[in-house]
Amino acid sequence: QVQLVESGGGVVQPGKSLRLSCAASGFSFSNYAMHWVRQTPGKGLEWVALISFDGNSNYYLESIRGRFTISRDNSNNILYLQMKSLRVEDTAIYYCAREHGWQQLVLGYFQLWGQGTPVTVSS
Amino acid sequence: EIVLTQSPATLSLSPGERATLSCRASQRVSSHLAWYQQKHGQAPRLLIYDASTRATGIPDRFSGSGSGTDFTLTISSLEPEDFAVYYCQQRNKWPLTFGGGTKVEVK
Repeated sequence: QVQLVESGGGVVQPGKSLRLSCAASGFSFSNYAMHWVRQTPGKGLEWVALISFDGNSNYYLESIRGRFTISRDNSNNILYLQMKSLRVEDTAIYYCAREHGWQQLVLGYFQLWGQGTPVTVSS
Repeated sequence: EIVLTQSPATLSLSPGERATLSCRASQRVSSHLAWYQQKHGQAPRLLIYDASTRATGIPDRFSGSGSGTDFTLTISSLEPEDFAVYYCQQRNKWPLTFGGGTKVEVK
């Protein structure tokens, strides 16, 4: 079954850290670039980060650059998002999403989504 | 960044009716636009990419059109399962951005 399953969300205080995971199954994970996208009632859907299929390149939303790090383990089919110095405005549901393109072809569309993991940043 | 403005915010229609959703970009995005459907409590689902290409498994009652700054998603005859929120998204320039959504509700 082709699926993405996120985990690691929770409630955390401002300034703290959290690491999200996304387990992929049913497809050749190492052949796809991967994204993190977040969603809030106020700001809607917001793309957060992209990592290339081989993990050698990554791109970030300006507001999280330097605080969040996207990485992947192609041996175990897992995508990560390490979040540091969390802010109240980072509160959202975080989705991992598979890129629509194949290998180095990054089209920038989200073909497959996980169910999301909620992150709440609050004191 | 490119701002996508969707209209209307809410569309109240009956099953069997035609739905026409609009997405306008703050600058030209060529045909690099996608549409997603999101049902309550679920993740978005890719419907249309490159403005008019249906994603795998998407029924042909969904169609997309437009280029440049003005785009339309049309649902030719609403089925009960089509009542949801629809988002457009551009990939012409980083960062990738989404519109604010159009809710299609039962009249």
